[in-house]
Amino acid sequence: DADVTQTPRNRITKTGKRIMLECSQTKGHDRMYWYRQDPGLGLRLIYYSFDVKDINKGEISDGYSVSRQAQAKFSLSLESAIPNQTALYFCATSGSPQETQYFGPGTRLLVL
Amino acid sequence: AQKITQTQPGMFVQEKEAVTLDCTYDTSDPSYGLFWYKQPSSGEMIFLIYQGSYDQQNATEGRYSLNFQKARKSANLVISASQLGDSAMYFCAMRAGETGANNLFFGTGTRLTVIP
Repeated sequence: DADVTQTPRNRITKTGKRIMLECSQTKGHDRMYWYRQDPGLGLRLIYYSFDVKDINKGEISDGYSVSRQAQAKFSLSLESAIPNQTALYFCATSGSPQETQYFGPGTRLLVL
Repeated sequence: AQKITQTQPGMFVQEKEAVTLDCTYDTSDPSYGLFWYKQPSSGEMIFLIYQGSYDQQNATEGRYSLNFQKARKSANLVISASQLGDSAMYFCAMRAGETGANNLFFGTGTRLTVIP
């Protein structure tokens, strides 16, 4: 089984709808991250969390919110989706500042 | 501010040959880490190799090696004996700072195509 899972893997939604992307991990890591990737670009950080009680904004947090329900679960919400939020979304985890980040398989989101 | 630059949008290599993918970085932090990730057409991000700023030797992982030149602020990925399965996007990333978020800053990537 994969260490970092994301659901759904693909999602099509309409402008103005609220959607949630979920991430679960079995690696026992404290740190979790949400990134987005736009075509032809690298990944950009949306939010990150050091533990259940710690949530921090990343480079591009506007229009997004997150929830850290447990050490193993970190959800990303788009309160009112817009077409320029169409992207590939990745969740990642790491065990400490020095450790490698391990990524989930990604969620492809299309906002019409 | 942290910055990663990958100047090669696309590269071609003959199967079984070696290829170097370029990456330069900019940071004022004395402690940082450099990573390479592979993204095949299926979309997942696969960790390849890591180099710490204080590491004395260049990192190696199987056919992957990282040519770390600290004074030039470069961290090039070398893939030896290229295989068809190496065709993918490759991203260089940097984590900067002793503590903190461990946020990664990514370059724009290089698309590698291995020619049979």
